Amino acid sequence: KAGVTQTPRYLIKTRGQQVTLSCSPISGHRSVSWYQQTPGQGLQFLFEYFSETQRNKGNFPGRFSGRQFSNSRSEMNVSTLELGDSALYLCASSLESVGQAVRETQYFGPGTRLLVL
Amino acid sequence: AQTVTQSQPEMSVQEAETVTLSCTYDTSENNYYLFWYKQPPSRQMILVIRQEAYKQQNATENRFSVNFQKAAKSFSLKISDSQLGDTAMYFCAFMKPYSGGGADGLTFGKGTHLIIQP
Repeated sequence: KAGVTQTPRYLIKTRGQQVTLSCSPISGHRSVSWYQQTPGQGLQFLFEYFSETQRNKGNFPGRFSGRQFSNSRSEMNVSTLELGDSALYLCASSLESVGQAVRETQYFGPGTRLLVL
Repeated sequence: AQTVTQSQPEMSVQEAETVTLSCTYDTSENNYYLFWYKQPPSRQMILVIRQEAYKQQNATENRFSVNFQKAAKSFSLKISDSQLGDTAMYFCAFMKPYSGGGADGLTFGKGTHLIIQP
């Protein structure tokens, strides 16, 4: 079974631009979570989507948004880029299902490295 | 809010030695999940091991095992017969159970850079 894939792998943007990152989960996984990794702040949770609905969101400004499609693929958008948005953005998928009590393990993609100049 | 603390920023051991990475966490939850992930230079985050708080038995995966002390809120990772390929950043992570329809993400520690010397 193929793992989580993320595109593009590398991206260079300038301040003020916007960017869209894409994530395709493991086949059958309906939950997709996004994380930001920086040297200063470490790994921080952005948001989680399940069945096209955002179920939870981390402490990030409204410039960070996302969506999920009916095939569980997810996109993350950052508008009005700032220098501090330079980071590795990681996507993770898990085999969540409606009504289950147990949380599932999250499996990560290779990440998208974003550099804002 | 949960916090995860990894007190060892960097560790270095010789190949074939055993090494233990420390992790402590703070939570008011009774049921939760703990993980160790490794991130080699490729930056791909790879699951090492998972532990459910309601299970008393410590999880093991081949050369990797944990020492889960719920009362002490401690979750250390032991790597036996270490190999050069074990060189990586190791992150301890905490996950809450479902609450009110929401699904919180993982809370990570700052990581321990483990170097296996030949």
